Amino acid sequence: GQQVMQIPQYQHVQEGEDFTTYCNSSTTLSNIQWYKQRPGGHPVFLIQLVKSGEVKKQKRLTFQFGEAKKNSSLHITATQTTDVGTYFCAGLATNAGKSTFGDGTTLTVKP
Amino acid sequence: DTGVSQNPRHKITKRGQNVTFRCDPISEHNRLYWYRQTLGQGPEFLTYFQNEAQLEKSRLLSDRFSAERPKGSFSTLEIQRTEQGDSAMYLCASSTRSYGWDNEQFFGPGTRLTVL
Repeated sequence: GQQVMQIPQYQHVQEGEDFTTYCNSSTTLSNIQWYKQRPGGHPVFLIQLVKSGEVKKQKRLTFQFGEAKKNSSLHITATQTTDVGTYFCAGLATNAGKSTFGDGTTLTVKP
Repeated sequence: DTGVSQNPRHKITKRGQNVTFRCDPISEHNRLYWYRQTLGQGPEFLTYFQNEAQLEKSRLLSDRFSAERPKGSFSTLEIQRTEQGDSAMYLCASSTRSYGWDNEQFFGPGTRLTVL
């Protein structure tokens, strides 16, 4: 079955440093979504990417969908303590009925 | 407030007992998902419905787990003969489906199950 892998599993940064998490699928995707889960909270939708090579920005967050539609990345510029949490990608494989979540990257930010 | 509600929020039970959780999705959402999440892991898919039809159930899911969505609105997840390994957060999410891709999932706050 489809596998969605995220790296790294954990990332510790100093406030102000940049952060990137990568998501890789074993199969071609129709779309990919990114979610953020704060400690003690539930996943909250951030963005969806559909087109090959698509790049979307939300303030300090940049999301990218690979040309082959098998990988994606989330980059945060100049992290802040409010960025703390676990970032999940969820990919919908072509002809699949539902998306598959990765195991997430947990970001901690030291002030 | 995402609009998805789950009850109860916490459940403590003894091994061997049955438990039932309820999820009320956002009213116009035709898709409803159940996930299980343990510390340090992503949401593990359990099952999902489109309206009242259960379209897929995880192959890893024991026969002790069953879910229903009788009228295409709320859903229940029942675990029979609970085991300590069932202790986890059970998340419900709802969404709409566009042709060719999934729309964003709105998650509820979850039900935390502890099996003693």
